[in-house]
Amino acid sequence: DTGVSQNPRHKITKRGQNVTFRCDPISEHNRLYWYRQTLGQGPEFLTYFQNEAQLEKSRLLSDRFSAERPKGSFSTLEIQRTEQGDSAMYLCASGGAQTYEQYFGPGTRLTVT
Amino acid sequence: GIQVEQSPPDLILQEGANSTLRCNFSDSVNNLQWFHQNPWGQLINLFYIPSGTKQNGRLSATTVATERYSLLYISSSQTTDSGVYFCAVALNNNDMRFGAGTRLTVKP
Repeated sequence: DTGVSQNPRHKITKRGQNVTFRCDPISEHNRLYWYRQTLGQGPEFLTYFQNEAQLEKSRLLSDRFSAERPKGSFSTLEIQRTEQGDSAMYLCASGGAQTYEQYFGPGTRLTVT
Repeated sequence: GIQVEQSPPDLILQEGANSTLRCNFSDSVNNLQWFHQNPWGQLINLFYIPSGTKQNGRLSATTVATERYSLLYISSSQTTDSGVYFCAVALNNNDMRFGAGTRLTVKP
């Protein structure tokens, strides 16, 4: 159990550019979640995968956001045409079949200039 | 959706003091977790406690699901306990709803 990993850890981009983040869940976990956290707030849910199926999407996930988990293992989150309001910490979590517990990765901190 | 309220929002303690953090939630849940967020943003799992009582060293937690609240106890606090503590709840595998957190500062 090596934990949830996320890459990159930090990303600085200019407004209008596209960015992609990667999440590698704990190996035997079939559930994967993306959350976003802005300064001073708790994390907010973005989307949820069970295996490769995207089962739930938040209204926070605008048309500029897309997430994939093509083989039911790692996942990517892409933001197109970034805006300054997209600056936040993007957190990935995974969970297994035995309990509802979620385990979080270290996050990717995005700064849009 | 489920509403989560944490109190107090801020807490300042002297090293060695005890504290109680509270989490109220508005609906039935079967997942409740307490996290400690470190200065680098990593959410550390403290307890998975949808009901009952658990203890881990100086930390313990109790959830009374029928009354929709959970408590996190920190005894003999240390400076390394400083940070933000989050309560998060969910129903089944659904997304977790987080409270706004309690920012704990432990002074030497």
